[in-house]
Amino acid sequence: GQQLNQSPQSMFIQEGEDVSMNCTSSSIFNTWLWYKQDPGEGPVLLIALYKAGELTSNGRLTAQFGITRKDSFLNISASIPSDVGIYFCAGQNYGGSQGNLIFGKGTKLSVKP
Amino acid sequence: DGGITQSPKYLFRKEGQNVTLSCEQNLNHDAMYWYRQDPGQGLRLIYYSQIVNDFQKGDIAEGYSVSREKKESFPLTVTSAQKNPTAFYLCASSIRARANTGELFFGEGSRLTVL
Repeated sequence: GQQLNQSPQSMFIQEGEDVSMNCTSSSIFNTWLWYKQDPGEGPVLLIALYKAGELTSNGRLTAQFGITRKDSFLNISASIPSDVGIYFCAGQNYGGSQGNLIFGKGTKLSVKP
Repeated sequence: DGGITQSPKYLFRKEGQNVTLSCEQNLNHDAMYWYRQDPGQGLRLIYYSQIVNDFQKGDIAEGYSVSREKKESFPLTVTSAQKNPTAFYLCASSIRARANTGELFFGEGSRLTVL
């Protein structure tokens, strides 16, 4: 079946540093999404991307939908302690049921003050 | 405030017992979902429902059952047939019009531990 390879698995960074993580797939997706999960909570949608090549920002977060439709990246600028959590990418194909939403295994971000 | 409420937050059960996890939403969303999360793993779809009185199996439906008698409610039963039920369970919903775009609203999760 379809799989998403998300990297890195974990990151330990200093407060103020920039963060970059990415997701790749052997399959094409029509939508790429990035979710953040705080410890012990449910994921929250950060950014949704609908067109190949699309670059979208949400505050200090920037995400891009790869031109090949097989990858996406998420950047966080000037990290702060509340950025700690697990970041998941997800890919979705139109026309299918919601069962076609595929999640990556997550990138766990730790921030040292 | 609108949202998704899962209960209980933590649940301990003995092996062999059935357990029902509650999920209620007041967002007027048509579609609802149940995911399972294990440490270091992504979210795996158990069941989903696009409309009342209808639901479909996800990738790991074996050992689970659901019902969708009301638009607001989508309870999940973890049966004794589920071989490894200890996990973090997440309920989610989406507006039907966006059901195929991956934009989900999640509850806070229920952590089930089977002793």
